[in-house]
Amino acid sequence: DSGVTQTPKHLITATGQRVTLRCSPRSGDLSVYWYQQSLDQGLQFLIQYYNGEERAKGNILERFSAQQFPDLHSELNLSSLELGDSALYFCASSVPSGSVSVTGELFFGEGSRLTVL
Amino acid sequence: QKEVEQDPGPLSVPEGAIVSLNCTYSNSAFQYFMWYRQYSRKGPELLMYTYSSGNKEDGRFTAQVDKSSKYISLFIRDSQPSDSATYLCAMSENFGNEKLTFGTGTRLTIIP
Repeated sequence: DSGVTQTPKHLITATGQRVTLRCSPRSGDLSVYWYQQSLDQGLQFLIQYYNGEERAKGNILERFSAQQFPDLHSELNLSSLELGDSALYFCASSVPSGSVSVTGELFFGEGSRLTVL
Repeated sequence: QKEVEQDPGPLSVPEGAIVSLNCTYSNSAFQYFMWYRQYSRKGPELLMYTYSSGNKEDGRFTAQVDKSSKYISLFIRDSQPSDSATYLCAMSENFGNEKLTFGTGTRLTIIP
């Protein structure tokens, strides 16, 4: 168990709809990352938050947005869903408060599987 | 062309064999190289972490980085059925884990 919790585990919805995926990072971790995993593209970095602020942005569509709240949990909002948005969405966390070094290890949750019909 | 290329497999080998997994990359700025292991229906977990060129060994696992060839490898000795998983290489330019670029993963099955 990585200590990162993602909900829901599975989600089935229709095109055009909007969904929210939730992530609780490991206790004390300040950074939250969102990744999308599909069969043909692999793990694609979407966005990173550090202590409530956006830190880095990857290939995140304009229809997608995220935020990190004061309690450090994060939400990924996906709107105007298309069939191609069907994928596994992973949240990862790292960087404990007070850490002086970062080794590159991300701690991943078990993912939220989104199916758009 | 993707920044990181990884043969998706699948790769099936008998128990006890030596496994070689590889990635090539095009971005010469990558300095930090990682291997993650992902079991079915689970999130990836860090297996090995190396900086710049060279070898690193951890038990049955050895990670190699050849920056001149832009090529990294993971070797698994005395492979076990419990090693059956998808292995993803990952790389970054900066110290830390911002904007890690992952390979697509190689699905490995160890046959008892």
